[in-house]
Amino acid sequence: DTGVSQDPRHKITKRGQNVTFRCDPISEHNRLYWYRQTLGQGPEFLTYFQNEAQLEKSRLLSDRFSAERPKGSFSTLEIQRTEQGDSAMYLCASRTANSPLHFGNGTRLTVT
Amino acid sequence: RKEVEQDPGPFNVPEGATVAFNCTYSNSASQSFFWYRQDCRKEPKLLMSVYSSGNEDGRFTAQLNRASQYISLLIRDSKLSDSATYLCVVFSGTYKYIFGTGTRLKVLA
Repeated sequence: DTGVSQDPRHKITKRGQNVTFRCDPISEHNRLYWYRQTLGQGPEFLTYFQNEAQLEKSRLLSDRFSAERPKGSFSTLEIQRTEQGDSAMYLCASRTANSPLHFGNGTRLTVT
Repeated sequence: RKEVEQDPGPFNVPEGATVAFNCTYSNSASQSFFWYRQDCRKEPKLLMSVYSSGNEDGRFTAQLNRASQYISLLIRDSKLSDSATYLCVVFSGTYKYIFGTGTRLKVLA
């Protein structure tokens, strides 16, 4: 069990630029989640995949956000035309049908 | 009303003290409950699941009260290393895990 892996760990970008984050879940985990966390808050749900299917997307996710999991393994989260309000920790988590969530160590995004 | 509510704290307690956190949830159909621990600038990590009959793991005891829709976490004999944020998590049984804002604990020497 190598754990959930996220890349990059940190990303600093200028407002208006596009960014993409990657998540590699635990290998046998078919369920994958993206969360966003800001200081002093708990993680907020963004989107959920079961295998390659994106089954739910939060209303928090504007049209500038898109997520994919093309082969049911790794996932990417892209933010287009970043805004300062997008600055946060982006957390990926995975699980099987019968296990709780296991989180990666997150990607910290700073938009300047 | 938030789906999962926690007192954000901070709770400042001396080493060796017993401390308890509560968490309330609004969805009576919620099926599973968890406590996660999060250290500063790190990812949340599962501390323990919460079972209907209550459960214990060393110095940690979790309780569930479905009638009043709250869960609790009791930490006995607090250690400096227990200082962290404790997140209450509720699973509705479809796909969504809902997190509380977390309760900050600081154990003082």
